[in-house]
Amino acid sequence: GESVGLHLPTLSVQEGDNSIINCAYSNSASDYFIWYKQESGKGPQFIIDIRSNMDKRQGQRVTVLLNKTVKHLSLQIAATQPGDSAVYFCAEEYNQAGTALIFGKGTTLSVSS
Amino acid sequence: DAGVTQSPTHLIKTRGQHVTLRCSPISGHKSVSWYQQVLGQGPQFIFQYYEKEERGRGNFPDRFSARQFPNYSSELNVNALLLGDSALYLCASSLDTQNEQFFGPGTRLTVL
Repeated sequence: GESVGLHLPTLSVQEGDNSIINCAYSNSASDYFIWYKQESGKGPQFIIDIRSNMDKRQGQRVTVLLNKTVKHLSLQIAATQPGDSAVYFCAEEYNQAGTALIFGKGTTLSVSS
Repeated sequence: DAGVTQSPTHLIKTRGQHVTLRCSPISGHKSVSWYQQVLGQGPQFIFQYYEKEERGRGNFPDRFSARQFPNYSSELNVNALLLGDSALYLCASSLDTQNEQFFGPGTRLTVL
């Protein structure tokens, strides 16, 4: 069935570096994708989203890139800070009598100062 | 403004028991969705409710049920608990079924 997965389970960076977290999706019909950040003991927090009619979207220190040809998403975090340490999930919106978010397994980002 | 609230925060049950988890959505939100997050995995969709009606259901057994009340709060019920039901249960609310979902902190269920 359809699923969204992440390439790497962990990523370690130094404070101030740029981080790139990758995600591959399998449903070519998907048209809406979201990146979530989940800190320990908390629920997922919305970071940024992108629709399939775009290939790039920028937020504050974050950029999401969408490559529909190879069904690949990436999240770029500029000047990574210790507070960015968390688990990051990409999610795909699945619409069938309601809206379900299909999450991948997540990438744990560790930022050392 | 208060975000999505869930109760209880933690819960310990034994196999075969029944559990009820509660969720209060953000004020003005009419849709509530439930997700199960097993340790080390991403959340898995269980149900979506809108205006007190079930609008979507994930691949979970009939032991899982839910309902939404007139004030848009929701309950998730799980019968005949199994060890594998141990997880973080997340509730998310949205204005309707098509808008951004905001997640609560979750209820940590441990089944012994």
